[in-house]
Amino acid sequence: AQKVTQAQTEISVVEKEDVTLDCVYETRDTTYYLFWYKQPPSGELVFLIRRNSFDEQNEISGRYSWNFQKSTSSFNFTITASQVVDSAVYFCALSEAPNSGNTPLVFGKGTRLSVIA
Amino acid sequence: AAGVIQSPRHLIKEKRETATLKCYPIPRHDTVYWYQQGPGQDPQFLISFYEKMQSDKGSIPDRFSAQQFSDYHSELNMSSLELGDSALYFCASSHNRAGPYEQYFGPGTRLTVT
Repeated sequence: AQKVTQAQTEISVVEKEDVTLDCVYETRDTTYYLFWYKQPPSGELVFLIRRNSFDEQNEISGRYSWNFQKSTSSFNFTITASQVVDSAVYFCALSEAPNSGNTPLVFGKGTRLSVIA
Repeated sequence: AAGVIQSPRHLIKEKRETATLKCYPIPRHDTVYWYQQGPGQDPQFLISFYEKMQSDKGSIPDRFSAQQFSDYHSELNMSSLELGDSALYFCASSHNRAGPYEQYFGPGTRLTVT
């Protein structure tokens, strides 16, 4: 069975601080995908990144970076120099690699990030 | 770029009424997913369709049904509404024949049952 754990329910930081959101996952599959989504107060779910289980390279996109470690089943997300606009709920999600091409996402409970000016 | 379209965006219904939510996937996407997100909760998978056939079923109540039509749009039908059905309902689409398998979400329909 798949499971995603985001142990941090809420995090509050002051603007310009760096912040890391933790994500730990469980799956019996050797091939799977990991995702991060952002949900701002307006409610939409914004896709941030997808990682497959064979690609352990870390990724950086502007102020965002992701650290994928299969050895610890973690896929952590760091925001550098946080800004007020980063305030949102962030969800980590897991999908087993499709043979038929269609598997639903299993989400973590989300981490609510508040960035204070 | 075209995104997933959901209608209506907001819906208010009374207990025991019915509701129909519509989803129009990104063009050329062949798979549609429905998720339900209660207040303060994570999205929970309800049901999905691939090439107009149901492909996966999650925690969808028996009072709910869904289908995908020939133009790939999907509808979620909800009957005998209960207060606990009040939630944000997301539709997502993906292109699963060729990948990659990102699910792109629509803006959601906020259903309030009174």
